[in-house]
Amino acid sequence: QSVLTQPPSVSAAPGQKVTISCSGSSSNIGNHYVCWYQQLPGTAPKLLIYDNNKRPSGIPDRFSGSKSGTSATLGITGLQTGDEADYYCGTWDNSLSAGVFGGGTKLTVL
Amino acid sequence: EVQLVESGGGLVQPGGSLRLSCAASGFTFSSSWMNWVRQAPGKGLEWVANINQDGSDKYYVDSVKGRFTISRDNAKNSLYLQMNSLRAEDTAVYYCARGFSSLADIWGQGTMVTVSS
Repeated sequence: QSVLTQPPSVSAAPGQKVTISCSGSSSNIGNHYVCWYQQLPGTAPKLLIYDNNKRPSGIPDRFSGSKSGTSATLGITGLQTGDEADYYCGTWDNSLSAGVFGGGTKLTVL
Repeated sequence: EVQLVESGGGLVQPGGSLRLSCAASGFTFSSSWMNWVRQAPGKGLEWVANINQDGSDKYYVDSVKGRFTISRDNAKNSLYLQMNSLRAEDTAVYYCARGFSSLADIWGQGTMVTVSS
């Protein structure tokens, strides 16, 4: 059971938009920035979003992040087949004094 | 190029020990928090431990406290994870990752640890 809660899977057609939610508590998302990671099959995770809504250099603006209270959301527009991957939210948890991740969401582009 | 390269994984019997290493290059290693994150086969990411810039501050996930020790050698630009009393549930790919924002930005390619008799 992960500290952060994500839907196990989402799907949408190419060109469409999808959102992935990440729910936590005041000890983690409520008091810390959220990061989002993309993990393509057989590869290491890659940072997509940091500080809730900032994109590292090289990440297209099709990817966006937002946070409200103890929840965060990753948005992906103009879906491409290459976006099929597992997506994870993560942050720090004050109560646990540990890093925490969501359980991951598998994105299928139909 | 910023790069992290893990090594030291392998097959170990339950109760055994293993030391993972992570070689950093392309950035000022001594200025960065560093993390270990693992992923069991077919499962999600699990944060394991982190360490501050001079090694004076360390945090661990509850499941490895007392068994794993994170350390670093800034002169060698290297991060380590000493794993003792290994259990089957420690079987995973272990990634080192540079501390950034609330967690990490740059990740290594990972090293596989298998605990089995």
